[in-house]
Amino acid sequence: AQKITQTQPGMFVQEKEAVTLDCTYDTSDPSYGLFWYKQPSSGEMIFLIYQGSYDQQNATEGRYSLNFQKARKSANLVISASQLGDSAMYFCAMREGLGNTDKLIFGTGTRLQVFP
Amino acid sequence: DAGITQSPRHKVTETGTPVTLRCHQTENHRYMYWYRQDPGHGLRLIHYSYGVKDTDKGEVSDGYSVSRSKTEDFLLTLESATSSQTSVYFCAISGAGGPMGSYNEQFFGPGTRLTVL
Repeated sequence: AQKITQTQPGMFVQEKEAVTLDCTYDTSDPSYGLFWYKQPSSGEMIFLIYQGSYDQQNATEGRYSLNFQKARKSANLVISASQLGDSAMYFCAMREGLGNTDKLIFGTGTRLQVFP
Repeated sequence: DAGITQSPRHKVTETGTPVTLRCHQTENHRYMYWYRQDPGHGLRLIHYSYGVKDTDKGEVSDGYSVSRSKTEDFLLTLESATSSQTSVYFCAISGAGGPMGSYNEQFFGPGTRLTVL
């Protein structure tokens, strides 16, 4: 079974608009962490935001926020005020367990294209 | 930015030849990882290391071996390369496993594009 599911292979958004990238996860472990990474066309993996399973509030980092709905097992990334430079692949990932090995499981990604 | 480099950055080789990819870090991070990235699969963990000479298998370890003789270096070896191992390989590092609820960001290297003909 897929541990991380990103159902949107591609998304389009107009510059300055907000966009939500979906991510659902599957785990029976009560301790886990959720990550979002950005991969621009140049290929590097850039960490964006993290949410822990015990965090009470949704994580925010500048224009990025994580809409964490624990009961639904979803961890959607919200990008506010999109910019042309936001065009990239976005990956959701999960770390299971107590973090002793810190392994990440990735989704298949969503390609975001921002148009003027 | 984390000091993490990969070499070579690009390599073309023939089926059946051995290939070694190197990951080098200057951050003294304990954990190191090798992933491969293929279209439609995202990133998948090949092997990881939790200390010098301590390694373990990931999700797609068949056909790969690793070694870590020093904190700073993590080598990925394809003993006999196959066309199915054509991929982009990423190394990542992180500080340590933390207590419940904590996290450590994984820093990624620039990637190595490997083509097996």
